[in-house]
Amino acid sequence: EDQVTQSPEALRLQEGESSSLNCSYTVSGLRGLFWYRQDPGKGPEFLFTLYSAGEEKEKERLKATLTKKESFLHITAPKPEDSATYLCAVQARDDKIIFGKGTRLHILP
Amino acid sequence: EAGVTQSPTHLIKTRGQQATLRCSPISGHTSVYWYQQALGLGLQFLLWYDEGEERNRGNFPPRFSGRQFPNYSSELNVNALELEDSALYLCASSLGSGLVVRTDTQYFGPGTRLTVL
Repeated sequence: EDQVTQSPEALRLQEGESSSLNCSYTVSGLRGLFWYRQDPGKGPEFLFTLYSAGEEKEKERLKATLTKKESFLHITAPKPEDSATYLCAVQARDDKIIFGKGTRLHILP
Repeated sequence: EAGVTQSPTHLIKTRGQQATLRCSPISGHTSVYWYQQALGLGLQFLLWYDEGEERNRGNFPPRFSGRQFPNYSSELNVNALELEDSALYLCASSLGSGLVVRTDTQYFGPGTRLTVL
């Protein structure tokens, strides 16, 4: 069964304390892996799309990487405004899209 | 450029009623996706429309249905509402997927909060 698991469920960091969020997936034929940021009461905001193992993408303090079994979202020197829920999703060969439950990130000033 | 828009923002219904939610995609996007985000759960894929046709649907009962209009806007209908249908319903749009191998990025709207009493 296709599955996406994100860890940890919640993470509290001090401002400037770098860390990584994990997204493990089991899917039949990966067509794409997506990272989104979601603020409370709002729709997810697109961050990155990764298509193949070894691919990396960066945006400001965020860097996403992809292997055959998992993806990491690295956050370097985070700021309080980076606090949000980060969602990972995969699209399988049958085009179904599966989201993980997200990681709630809280950056303390 | 305008993003994905959804209406209404909030919708309150009672059990057994029908709800209609609407979505307008980003200009130039032909694919529309619907998701349900219930409290404590991840986003659950509901439906995918592309070029006016239903391309795929998630594991939801038939009382969840929808359509896509010629201008690519979309409507989600939920019949015989149940209490557990209370959730944030999100619409996303992307460039048409068609037979393209690479998946196009989805951009989300702000959602419709449906409350079933």
